[in-house]
Amino acid sequence: DAGVIQSPRHEVTEMGQEVTLRCKPISGHNSLFWYRQTMMRGLELLIYFNNNVPIDDSGMPEDRFSAKMPNASFSTLKIQPSEPRDSAVYFCASSRRTDGDGYTFGSGTRLTVV
Amino acid sequence: DAKTTQPPSMDCAEGRAANLPCNHSTISGNEYVYWYRQIHSQGPQYIIHGLKNNETNEMASLIITEDRKSSTLILPHATLRDTAVYYCIVSRRNAGNMLTFGGGTRLMVKP
Repeated sequence: DAGVIQSPRHEVTEMGQEVTLRCKPISGHNSLFWYRQTMMRGLELLIYFNNNVPIDDSGMPEDRFSAKMPNASFSTLKIQPSEPRDSAVYFCASSRRTDGDGYTFGSGTRLTVV
Repeated sequence: DAKTTQPPSMDCAEGRAANLPCNHSTISGNEYVYWYRQIHSQGPQYIIHGLKNNETNEMASLIITEDRKSSTLILPHATLRDTAVYYCIVSRRNAGNMLTFGGGTRLMVKP
């Protein structure tokens, strides 16, 4: 299994531009999570999907952020328009809902908004 | 609203056991203790979890006190590659419950 795959690994964009981060969860995992990590705030949960349905998006910072999961093997996190304060590492993680043995995280996308 | 308390940093000599403490005095009866670690620039990695019994796997051992209010993660023979931030989290199992990460303990393994 290739694990959780995120793309791109690095993204540099100008303020105001749209940014789309992508995630392919592990096959068979039916829960998917998007996290954001910064030095100031640590790891923050943004949104959680179960069986492709958003369950809790209370961590999404504002309306500029949106996430979709059109099928079991793909999810996107979109920021439109992007701002410098969105600069962070964004992680995607997946798990089996009934598997208590933990989440598998991807390698992350390092986003820099200039 | 932190559910766990960990020391911000610890040092350990290479080859020695690293004992990382965690306090979770408000843990509920159906909550498990999970440990993850994050090596620089990588995504967090699952290590181990437990409910009330001590657990051991190829990576580490988890010792949970009888009252479940605290636990210790033990890396029996720490190596330089174990240098990382270690997170202790309490969460219900089999509920799809979200993991909330705190500040963790930054473990530095020194030669």
